[in-house]
Amino acid sequence: AQSVSQHNHHVILSEAASLELGCNYSYGGTVNLFWYVQYPGQHLQLLLKYFSGDPLVKGIKGFEAEFIKSKFSFNLRKPSVQWSDTAEYFCAVIVYNTDKLIFGTGTRLQVFP
Amino acid sequence: DADVTQTPRNRITKTGKRIMLECSQTKGHDRMYWYRQDPGLGLRLIYYSFDVKDINKGEISDGYSVSRQAQAKFSLSLESAIPNQTALYFCATSEPSSGINEQFFGPGTRLTVL
Repeated sequence: AQSVSQHNHHVILSEAASLELGCNYSYGGTVNLFWYVQYPGQHLQLLLKYFSGDPLVKGIKGFEAEFIKSKFSFNLRKPSVQWSDTAEYFCAVIVYNTDKLIFGTGTRLQVFP
Repeated sequence: DADVTQTPRNRITKTGKRIMLECSQTKGHDRMYWYRQDPGLGLRLIYYSFDVKDINKGEISDGYSVSRQAQAKFSLSLESAIPNQTALYFCATSEPSSGINEQFFGPGTRLTVL
């Protein structure tokens, strides 16, 4: 069965630090990849998505992610985090032409001023 | 206006009670989903529906049932609630094209079973 791994469960950073959150998936075929963010008390919002083309994807709020097919990875990055980035981040995968979105367990990011 | 709405937003109930969570959408999407979110476990799929005549079990359907009353409405029921069903429940919709299945989430319902 397909699975998604997020190895960083809890990340604590100071403002202006750089961020990289890991995401690995287990399927060898074509996939669509997503990063969702959940701010405290709010619902999931799409940060960015990869369907095809340029493997470096830019999302909202200065986030980007790079799809590396050979490593089955889709890591999320931001060069300089802000206190307002404090949230939980979920990586998710859909195998191409299927209908099930498979989520990772999430990474809780805390950014201190 | 929100495209995907859920009611209630918060609910506290007792063990053994029947509970219904409702989801409505104005996006015109055929596909709808119910997930539950638990700390450290991410989101897990309970049920999904591709249209009003199509209902499918997800990975954790035991103890739950659903009803797709119309294209825009998808309800989740707990026939006899138990404490380990305490969780945050999300509804989502999608309308895939070219094999792409981006899902749009509602605001969530926080359910506590005492």
